[in-house]
Amino acid sequence: SQTIHQWPATLVQPVGSPLSLECTVEGTSNPNLYWYRQAAGRGLQLLFYSVGIGQISSEVPQNLSASRPQDRQFILSSKKLLLSDSGFYLCAWGVRAEAFFGQGTRLTVV
Amino acid sequence: AQTVTQSQPEMSVQEAETVTLSCTYDTSESDYYLFWYKQPPSRQMILVIRQEAYKQQNATENRFSVNFQKAAKSFSLKISDSQLGDAAMYFCAYSLSGNTPLVFGKGTRLSVIA
Repeated sequence: SQTIHQWPATLVQPVGSPLSLECTVEGTSNPNLYWYRQAAGRGLQLLFYSVGIGQISSEVPQNLSASRPQDRQFILSSKKLLLSDSGFYLCAWGVRAEAFFGQGTRLTVV
Repeated sequence: AQTVTQSQPEMSVQEAETVTLSCTYDTSESDYYLFWYKQPPSRQMILVIRQEAYKQQNATENRFSVNFQKAAKSFSLKISDSQLGDAAMYFCAYSLSGNTPLVFGKGTRLSVIA
């Protein structure tokens, strides 16, 4: 069966520091991969999605970037975090229009 | 661009009663998918139910059922015999095809009163 791993679960980072959140999927090949952000009291905002290795689509201009170095690995990065980057980040993989989510990372920028 | 609207930020229901959560969406496409996801306090996103737009029959999953009105672009979720474990945020979502990301509404927070 397919599983998705996302880490870390919680992260507190100072303003201006770099960020790297990692997500890996097991049990499937060539999945669609997504990064969403959920701000407090709001819905899920799509940040990036990827349909294959090296193929990244960005939905909103921001301080973040994404990479897909391997088929089942998706990384969310930032060179310098802003206070506004705080939130709950969710990685997901998709098949047949459906999305399956990791457990999320709560990022607090201080 | 497709949008999903959930007009009820918060809802409450008595245990064992029935509650309906509303969702409307905007699209010019005829073939698409609709979903309801549940996000309990653990924040894990859990798929509750899905509906393919080409199917006229409303989807059901145990105590969960939908009322899909394609012409009205409405997709409501009915929870019957509500249980304390149903308390969560519920998100309505839309997807066009297998390679397009899901678009989510802002969610409805459901409280279940014992």
